[in-house]
Amino acid sequence: DTAVSQTPKYLVTQMGNDKSIKCEQNLGHDTMYWYKQDSKKFLKIMFSYNNKELIINETVPNRFSPKSPDKAHLNLHINSLELGDSAVYFCASSQDVLSRTDTQYFGPGTRLTVL
Amino acid sequence: GNSVTQMEGPVTLSEEAFLTINCTYTATGYPSLFWYVQYPGEGLQLLLKATKADDKGSNKGFEATYRKETTSFHLEKGSVQVSDSAVYFCALRAPTAGNMLTFGGGTRLMVKP
Repeated sequence: DTAVSQTPKYLVTQMGNDKSIKCEQNLGHDTMYWYKQDSKKFLKIMFSYNNKELIINETVPNRFSPKSPDKAHLNLHINSLELGDSAVYFCASSQDVLSRTDTQYFGPGTRLTVL
Repeated sequence: GNSVTQMEGPVTLSEEAFLTINCTYTATGYPSLFWYVQYPGEGLQLLLKATKADDKGSNKGFEATYRKETTSFHLEKGSVQVSDSAVYFCALRAPTAGNMLTFGGGTRLMVKP
């Protein structure tokens, strides 16, 4: 059983397009996250949602809009894609963001290529 | 702010060699420390963690000890295998950062037969 799943696995698109990446977790966790991994493998938090409410937005352009229809899903919509958006995007989830011992579980990633 | 520094890779070893990947951190408060592993083409998997000073995390032959005095969490394995080839990320989680994970830059390990 896949704990954290993402679709699609690969996404190739033209500059200026709008695209979405979906994430689902079946762990019953309350908190979900989006991370961006650049070409040098550097990972950075983008957003965090706890029980469908945004709790962290780390200086991400307005073109990125997360949407959480329920606490098992956190989708990432990107408007007006730019070349610099090319990266691997990881979704993650954890049980309790307020606990410092909490553990995050990651999805397999979505490789976005903007041409 | 919080930060994690890892040794730059790639680290290339022969099978059965001893592995050390250095990780040091800067954090306010008392962070929890993690090692994640990313195999080629896959997402991150938690390898091990430690939540307080002197704790030792271990899994699959890998170990790391939380050293508060040296602010370090070095990853070690006594005998690496080809299947250990991956990118290893050290990370911390601190209440002062809203409990978000802060990652190091990752260290690529390549193990040759």
